[in-house]
Amino acid sequence: AQSVTQLGSHVSVSEGALVLLRCNYSSSVPPYLFWYVQYPNQGLQLLLKYTTGATLVKGINGFEAEFKKSETSFHLTKPSAHMSDAAEYFCAVTDPDSSASKIIFGSGTRLSIRP
Amino acid sequence: EAGVTQFPSHSVIEKGQTVTLRCDPISGHDNLYWYRRVMGKEIKFLLHFVKESKQDESGMPNNRFLAERTGGTYSTLKVQPAELEDSGVYFCASSQFRGRSTEAFFGQGTRLTVV
Repeated sequence: AQSVTQLGSHVSVSEGALVLLRCNYSSSVPPYLFWYVQYPNQGLQLLLKYTTGATLVKGINGFEAEFKKSETSFHLTKPSAHMSDAAEYFCAVTDPDSSASKIIFGSGTRLSIRP
Repeated sequence: EAGVTQFPSHSVIEKGQTVTLRCDPISGHDNLYWYRRVMGKEIKFLLHFVKESKQDESGMPNNRFLAERTGGTYSTLKVQPAELEDSGVYFCASSQFRGRSTEAFFGQGTRLTVV
């Protein structure tokens, strides 16, 4: 069965500092990996996704993630945090046993930005 | 273009009552999904419609939950009778295509509190 583990339910960084949100997955087949973000009082929004090809994926708002098969990881990074990055972030995979976009989510990481 | 819309945004009901949640997908999206996040836990898949047909309802917790999508447009999720453990945030998502790499667009969710 597929699963996603996000290390740290809450991460706090200073404005301008590096953001690193960790995600590890387990998958019996090549995974399709996603990061979603939920800003306060809004819905889930796709940040970026990895399907095939280049392992370094760039997303919106300056975020990027690198697929590392050997480490079964898909960590999300941003070089310099901005106050507007405060939100909850979800790592996810799609279920390979489903023909549709059935998504398996991690438990989420809430990112706080200190002035 | 309007995104996925969910009504109501919040609902507080007493144990034993009935609540109906509504989701309006993006126009033209045949695929509609319901997910739920119980407090502090991961977002979990409930079911998937293709047009008006239930394609996968493996995530529905029990027979107190009934989802419909008459006419293949909007969908409703009824909980009857509601129990305390049904509290959480219910997300709806839609996609134009099926497949593991397809992006699903999410609504802002309905926060259900059962007291």
